[in-house]
Amino acid sequence: KAGVTQTPRYLIKTRGQQVTLSCSPISGHRSVSWYQQTPGQGLQFLFEYFSETQRNKGNFPGRFSGRQFSNSRSEMNVSTLELGDSALYLCASSLEAWSEQYFGPGTRLTVT
Amino acid sequence: KNEVEQSPQNLTAQEGEFITINCSYSVGISALHWLQQHPGGGIVSLFMLSSGKKKHGRLIATINIQEKHSSLHITASHPRDSAVYICAASTGNQFYFGTGTSLTVIP
Repeated sequence: KAGVTQTPRYLIKTRGQQVTLSCSPISGHRSVSWYQQTPGQGLQFLFEYFSETQRNKGNFPGRFSGRQFSNSRSEMNVSTLELGDSALYLCASSLEAWSEQYFGPGTRLTVT
Repeated sequence: KNEVEQSPQNLTAQEGEFITINCSYSVGISALHWLQQHPGGGIVSLFMLSSGKKKHGRLIATINIQEKHSSLHITASHPRDSAVYICAASTGNQFYFGTGTSLTVIP
Protein backbone atom coordinates (compact mmCIF):
# COMPACT_ATOMS: atom_id res chain seq x y z
CA LYS A 1 0.00 0.00 0.00
CA ALA A 2 1.41 3.38 -0.94
CA GLY A 3 2.17 5.74 1.92
CA VAL A 4 1.14 9.33 2.37
CA THR A 5 2.54 11.57 -0.34
CA GLN A 6 3.04 15.31 -0.25
CA THR A 7 3.83 17.68 -3.06
CA PRO A 8 5.89 19.65 -3.58
CA ARG A 9 8.70 18.53 -1.27
CA TYR A 10 10.47 21.88 -1.30
CA LEU A 11 9.20 25.34 -2.04
CA ILE A 12 10.65 28.84 -1.92
CA LYS A 13 8.25 31.77 -1.87
CA THR A 14 8.46 35.50 -1.30
CA ARG A 15 6.72 37.43 1.47
CA GLY A 16 3.19 38.38 0.49
CA GLN A 17 2.71 35.51 -1.93
CA GLN A 18 0.39 32.61 -1.36
CA VAL A 19 1.12 28.88 -1.50
CA THR A 20 -0.85 25.67 -1.88
CA LEU A 21 0.43 22.35 -0.59
CA SER A 22 -1.03 18.98 -1.47
CA CYS A 23 -1.41 15.74 0.45
CA SER A 24 -2.58 12.33 -0.80
CA PRO A 25 -3.53 10.01 2.05
CA ILE A 26 -3.20 6.26 2.25
CA SER A 27 -5.97 4.59 0.29
CA GLY A 28 -8.99 4.07 2.52
CA HIS A 29 -8.02 6.70 5.07
CA ARG A 30 -10.72 9.32 5.51
CA SER A 31 -9.02 11.64 7.97
CA VAL A 32 -6.22 14.03 7.03
CA SER A 33 -4.48 16.31 9.49
CA TRP A 34 -1.96 19.04 8.87
CA TYR A 35 0.90 20.11 11.12
CA GLN A 36 3.55 22.81 11.12
CA GLN A 37 7.02 22.13 12.48
CA THR A 38 9.52 24.90 13.22
CA PRO A 39 12.72 24.89 15.28
CA GLY A 40 11.26 27.42 17.68
CA GLN A 41 7.72 26.12 18.20
CA GLY A 42 8.16 22.45 17.40
CA LEU A 43 5.19 20.56 16.03
CA GLN A 44 1.83 22.32 16.06
CA PHE A 45 -1.57 21.13 14.92
CA LEU A 46 -3.10 23.13 12.05
CA PHE A 47 -6.37 21.41 11.16
CA GLU A 48 -8.08 18.09 10.67
CA TYR A 49 -10.41 17.04 7.87
CA PHE A 50 -12.75 14.10 7.79
CA SER A 51 -15.01 13.27 4.86
CA GLU A 52 -14.45 16.70 3.25
CA THR A 53 -15.30 18.63 6.43
CA GLN A 54 -12.89 20.58 8.58
CA ARG A 55 -13.74 19.35 12.01
CA ASN A 56 -10.96 20.79 14.12
CA LYS A 57 -8.57 23.69 13.87
CA GLY A 58 -5.48 24.68 15.77
CA ASN A 59 -4.52 28.14 16.92
CA PHE A 60 -3.43 29.63 13.59
CA PRO A 61 -4.57 32.80 11.83
CA GLY A 62 -7.14 32.73 9.07
CA ARG A 63 -4.37 32.98 6.46
CA PHE A 64 -4.05 29.23 6.92
CA SER A 65 -6.85 27.31 5.28
CA GLY A 66 -7.43 23.95 3.74
CA ARG A 67 -9.87 21.63 2.11
CA GLN A 68 -10.43 17.97 1.47
CA PHE A 69 -11.77 16.46 -1.70
CA SER A 70 -14.14 13.54 -2.16
CA ASN A 71 -11.19 11.19 -2.79
CA SER A 72 -9.75 12.28 0.62
CA ARG A 73 -6.87 14.19 -0.95
CA SER A 74 -6.28 17.42 0.88
CA GLU A 75 -4.74 20.78 0.17
CA MET A 76 -3.68 23.52 2.51
CA ASN A 77 -3.27 27.12 1.52
CA VAL A 78 -1.34 29.92 3.16
CA SER A 79 -2.05 33.42 1.93
CA THR A 80 0.01 36.58 2.40
CA LEU A 81 3.10 34.65 3.41
CA GLU A 82 5.25 35.92 6.26
CA LEU A 83 8.86 35.06 7.07
CA GLY A 84 7.63 33.17 10.13
CA ASP A 85 5.68 30.77 7.93
CA SER A 86 8.95 29.12 6.92
CA ALA A 87 8.56 25.60 8.25
CA LEU A 88 8.17 21.94 7.50
CA TYR A 89 4.51 21.25 6.79
CA LEU A 90 3.46 17.70 7.47
CA CYS A 91 0.25 15.95 6.71
CA ALA A 92 -0.88 12.70 8.24
CA SER A 93 -3.72 10.39 7.38
CA SER A 94 -5.63 7.95 9.55
CA LEU A 95 -8.50 5.55 9.15
CA GLU A 96 -10.66 7.43 11.58
CA ALA A 97 -10.26 10.86 13.14
CA TRP A 98 -7.55 10.88 15.80
CA SER A 99 -6.59 7.26 15.30
CA GLU A 100 -3.00 6.18 14.52
CA GLN A 101 -1.40 8.84 12.32
CA TYR A 102 0.59 7.98 9.20
CA PHE A 103 2.80 10.89 8.27
CA GLY A 104 3.92 12.07 4.88
CA PRO A 105 7.51 13.23 4.21
CA GLY A 106 6.55 16.88 4.51
CA THR A 107 6.88 20.01 2.39
CA ARG A 108 9.70 22.34 3.40
CA LEU A 109 8.56 25.91 2.77
CA THR A 110 11.03 28.76 2.81
CA VAL A 111 9.71 32.31 2.74
CA THR A 112 12.21 35.01 1.74
CA LYS B 1 2.42 26.80 29.70
CA ASN B 2 2.88 23.62 27.68
CA GLU B 3 0.14 21.04 27.68
CA VAL B 4 2.73 18.29 27.09
CA GLU B 5 6.12 18.20 28.79
CA GLN B 6 8.89 15.77 27.93
CA SER B 7 12.11 14.88 29.66
CA PRO B 8 14.96 14.70 29.13
CA GLN B 9 15.45 17.04 26.16
CA ASN B 10 18.66 15.33 25.16
CA LEU B 11 19.92 11.86 25.94
CA THR B 12 23.14 10.08 25.05
CA ALA B 13 23.44 6.38 25.74
CA GLN B 14 25.87 3.57 25.10
CA GLU B 15 24.70 0.78 22.86
CA GLY B 16 22.87 -1.84 24.90
CA GLU B 17 21.64 0.52 27.61
CA PHE B 18 18.04 0.67 28.81
CA ILE B 19 16.50 4.05 27.98
CA THR B 20 13.47 5.83 29.43
CA ILE B 21 11.82 8.96 28.08
CA ASN B 22 9.10 10.60 30.14
CA CYS B 23 6.01 12.55 29.14
CA SER B 24 3.59 14.46 31.35
CA TYR B 25 0.41 16.09 30.09
CA SER B 26 -2.13 18.43 31.59
CA VAL B 27 -5.11 17.97 29.25
CA GLY B 28 -7.80 15.33 29.16
CA ILE B 29 -6.81 12.89 26.46
CA SER B 30 -8.48 10.45 24.16
CA ALA B 31 -5.06 8.93 23.39
CA LEU B 32 -1.35 9.45 23.91
CA HIS B 33 0.96 9.02 20.93
CA TRP B 34 4.68 8.34 20.74
CA LEU B 35 6.35 9.41 17.50
CA GLN B 36 9.85 8.92 16.13
CA GLN B 37 11.50 11.46 13.84
CA HIS B 38 14.74 10.75 12.04
CA PRO B 39 17.03 13.41 10.56
CA GLY B 40 15.46 14.61 7.33
CA GLY B 41 12.05 14.95 8.89
CA GLY B 42 10.17 11.69 8.40
CA ILE B 43 7.86 10.90 11.33
CA VAL B 44 6.73 7.41 12.26
CA SER B 45 4.04 6.61 14.78
CA LEU B 46 5.39 4.15 17.34
CA PHE B 47 2.49 3.80 19.74
CA MET B 48 -0.98 5.08 20.36
CA LEU B 49 -2.32 4.21 23.78
CA SER B 50 -5.11 5.22 26.11
CA SER B 51 -4.38 2.84 29.00
CA GLY B 52 -1.90 0.30 30.25
CA LYS B 53 1.10 -0.80 28.28
CA LYS B 54 2.07 -1.67 24.72
CA LYS B 55 5.16 -3.43 23.37
CA HIS B 56 6.73 -3.52 19.91
CA GLY B 57 9.98 -5.41 19.75
CA ARG B 58 12.44 -3.57 22.00
CA LEU B 59 10.09 -0.62 22.56
CA ILE B 60 7.61 -0.43 25.42
CA ALA B 61 5.16 2.38 26.13
CA THR B 62 3.21 2.78 29.35
CA ILE B 63 0.62 5.25 30.50
CA ASN B 64 -0.80 6.16 33.90
CA ILE B 65 -4.05 8.00 33.32
CA GLN B 66 -4.50 9.06 36.96
CA GLU B 67 -1.04 10.63 37.09
CA LYS B 68 -1.23 11.95 33.50
CA HIS B 69 2.13 10.44 32.72
CA SER B 70 3.54 8.19 30.04
CA SER B 71 6.93 6.61 29.49
CA LEU B 72 8.70 5.21 26.46
CA HIS B 73 11.30 2.56 27.18
CA ILE B 74 13.89 1.20 24.79
CA THR B 75 15.58 -2.01 25.83
CA ALA B 76 19.01 -3.00 24.48
CA SER B 77 19.42 0.32 22.67
CA HIS B 78 21.11 0.36 19.26
CA PRO B 79 22.65 3.18 17.20
CA ARG B 80 19.73 2.93 14.76
CA ASP B 81 17.47 4.07 17.62
CA SER B 82 19.12 7.50 17.38
CA ALA B 83 16.30 9.88 16.57
CA VAL B 84 13.99 12.46 18.12
CA TYR B 85 11.13 10.95 20.11
CA ILE B 86 8.00 13.05 20.43
CA CYS B 87 5.09 12.60 22.79
CA ALA B 88 1.71 13.88 21.62
CA ALA B 89 -1.66 14.10 23.33
CA SER B 90 -4.88 13.97 21.33
CA THR B 91 -7.92 15.35 23.07
CA GLY B 92 -10.51 14.53 20.47
CA ASN B 93 -10.35 17.96 18.88
CA GLN B 94 -6.73 19.03 19.31
CA PHE B 95 -3.28 17.57 19.13
CA TYR B 96 -0.64 18.80 21.58
CA PHE B 97 3.01 17.94 21.10
CA GLY B 98 5.97 17.76 23.43
CA THR B 99 9.20 19.39 22.36
CA GLY B 100 10.87 16.06 21.74
CA THR B 101 13.76 14.09 23.19
CA SER B 102 16.85 13.85 21.03
CA LEU B 103 18.41 10.43 21.58
CA THR B 104 21.92 9.49 20.46
CA VAL B 105 23.08 5.92 20.94
CA ILE B 106 26.85 5.48 20.71
CA PRO B 107 28.28 2.16 19.48
